[in-house]
Amino acid sequence: AQSVTQPDIHITVSEGASLELRCNYSYGATPYLFWYVQSPGQGLQLLLKYFSGDTLVQGIKGFEAEFKRSQSSFNLRKPSVHWSDAAEYFCAVLYNQGGKLIFGQGTELSVKP
Amino acid sequence: EPEVTQTPSHQVTQMGQEVILRCVPISNHLYFYWYRQILGQKVEFLVSFYNNEISEKSEIFDDQFSVERPDGSNFTLKIRSTKLEDSAMYFCATKQGTNTGELFFGEGSRLTVL
Repeated sequence: AQSVTQPDIHITVSEGASLELRCNYSYGATPYLFWYVQSPGQGLQLLLKYFSGDTLVQGIKGFEAEFKRSQSSFNLRKPSVHWSDAAEYFCAVLYNQGGKLIFGQGTELSVKP
Repeated sequence: EPEVTQTPSHQVTQMGQEVILRCVPISNHLYFYWYRQILGQKVEFLVSFYNNEISEKSEIFDDQFSVERPDGSNFTLKIRSTKLEDSAMYFCATKQGTNTGELFFGEGSRLTVL
């Protein structure tokens, strides 16, 4: 069955440090993959998406993610974290063309000064 | 920038009461969804809606739930008789077409059932 795993429930990084959030998926075909961010009390904002083509995708707010088929991974990265990046991050895979998304458990990011 | 808007932002209700959550989709979007996030848990798919009918629903979406587009603009989620376990954040999402795949989410409606 299709699933998304985010192994890290909570990560703390120092402001200015680099960040990598892990995401692994289980999906039979070529996946459509997404990263969403949720600030406290807010909705889900799309950071970036992968449909096909270049496996390194750029998103908003300086984020990027790399699709690695051999590892079934779609890890999110940012070279230098800002305090405003503190939020919950969700990886998701598009289950079907109908638009059903399967979400991971989420990773809460804390940023320390 | 066009956005999905949801009302109310927070609703508190007594167990057994009916609740209607409303969503105004982005104007040219054709696909509509409701997702739910129980506090501390992952976001879960509830239902998808296209061409004025449900196209897919999850096991969570039982007979207590219904969706409709009563006036061609608002997209509503009704919970007929709320239970304690319905307490969650409910997100509306919309999508333009099948090829893009990108869902745009509203800010959510927090439902608290007492």
